[in-house]
Amino acid sequence: EVQLVESGGGFVQPGGSLRLSCVASGFTFRNYWMSWVRQAPGKGLEWVANIKYDGNDKNYVDSVKGRFIISRDDAKNSLYLQMNSLRAEDTAVYYCARLEDYFDHWGQGTLVTVSS
Amino acid sequence: DIVMTQSPDSLAVSLGERATINCKSSQSLLYSSNNKNYLAWYQQKPGQPPKLLIYWASTRESGVPDRFSGGGSGTDFTLTISSLQAEDVAVYYCQQYYTSWTFGQGSKVEIK
Repeated sequence: EVQLVESGGGFVQPGGSLRLSCVASGFTFRNYWMSWVRQAPGKGLEWVANIKYDGNDKNYVDSVKGRFIISRDDAKNSLYLQMNSLRAEDTAVYYCARLEDYFDHWGQGTLVTVSS
Repeated sequence: DIVMTQSPDSLAVSLGERATINCKSSQSLLYSSNNKNYLAWYQQKPGQPPKLLIYWASTRESGVPDRFSGGGSGTDFTLTISSLQAEDVAVYYCQQYYTSWTFGQGSKVEIK
């Protein structure tokens, strides 16, 4: 069974940083593109970033370019999202998702709150 | 960016009746080289992550009940629940993966 478990969310002031992690199990992690998708409270879904299976191709939504960095450690079956220069509008539940053109498996999410 | 627009924003349907959600994209999602529509549907119940229901516009994900079906091509798509069950109360999202990945705003399905 595919499982994705996120961690690292929390409360941070504007301008601060946070690192999210996602541990995968139940599939061969190194063979898949992986993504982060977020959902602001009471709002819809927004794709944030993805990373190729070999880590050599990364893509970001325009609103986080230059501030967020996606990475992976295949030895640890782990996906990461380093979030810098956080803004109030980054407040959301962040989901780790496996990318198969579409998002076929999702974690439960971790909440990031950016507020002063 | 491709903009996805769903209608209606919410709908109330009686148990056992049909529910239909529409999704329109700002440009065609049909890739001519493989004749596939790059469109997926997700279901999100309160407090839960989204769950994949349909991909390639009409292919049902494994384990998804056959009362869920997807249709359409090009820029206009539909998700149909043929006989609404209580457990189908949720928000439904369409999503394109033709260029980058963008979602519709969501359609909330409730019981009348």
